[in-house]
Amino acid sequence: GDSVTQMEGPVTLSEEAFLTINCTYTATGYPSLFWYVQYPGEGLQLLLKATKADDKGSNKGFEATYRKETTSFHLEKGSVQVSDSAVYFCALRPDQGGKLIFGQGTELSVKP
Amino acid sequence: DTAVSQTPKYLVTQMGNDKSIKCEQNLGHDTMYWYKQDSKKFLKIMFSYNNKELIINETVPNRFSPKSPDKAHLNLHINSLELGDSAVYFCASSHGPGRGGDNEQFFGPGTRLTVL
Repeated sequence: GDSVTQMEGPVTLSEEAFLTINCTYTATGYPSLFWYVQYPGEGLQLLLKATKADDKGSNKGFEATYRKETTSFHLEKGSVQVSDSAVYFCALRPDQGGKLIFGQGTELSVKP
Repeated sequence: DTAVSQTPKYLVTQMGNDKSIKCEQNLGHDTMYWYKQDSKKFLKIMFSYNNKELIINETVPNRFSPKSPDKAHLNLHINSLELGDSAVYFCASSHGPGRGGDNEQFFGPGTRLTVL
């Protein structure tokens, strides 16, 4: 079945460091791909998305490119801030729509 | 205005009790979902309703019974609560899969259920 695998956390970085969180997926057809963020004690917020191959999603300095050849959707940010500390979830939605399938989440902690 | 709201935010109860969690959305969506987040933060779909009709029912014990009185509400009733039911339950909503285009899911703030 469809699945998502993320790099394990926690990831600890210093402020202004470069961030990469790896995400790979297994799916039939052409799923849509998402990154969600969960700040401490809160629900999930959509960070960015891509709905077809080679699309780049971007928001708040974060970027991810839908790579069908490597079945990946890695999250990157050039310079992280303390306020980026959160849990990041990669997810896919099968091309027929409906449920989201999540990766296991990666906790990011940014130190001043 | 809160887009997707859940009540209660926290729920502490004894094993064997029956409890309900309520969810409401004011986004005009026709599809709603329940997800469970376990202690390791892993998120998994439980149920989905489209226009008050159950369309996704994952492998969930039949002690869990969702009910959708209308398109804007999806409640979750849990009978005979067990220790393993302790988790954070998230409600979400979206336009239905048939709409095409952007059917992003919007999540509620979660209900933290603790079974003692």
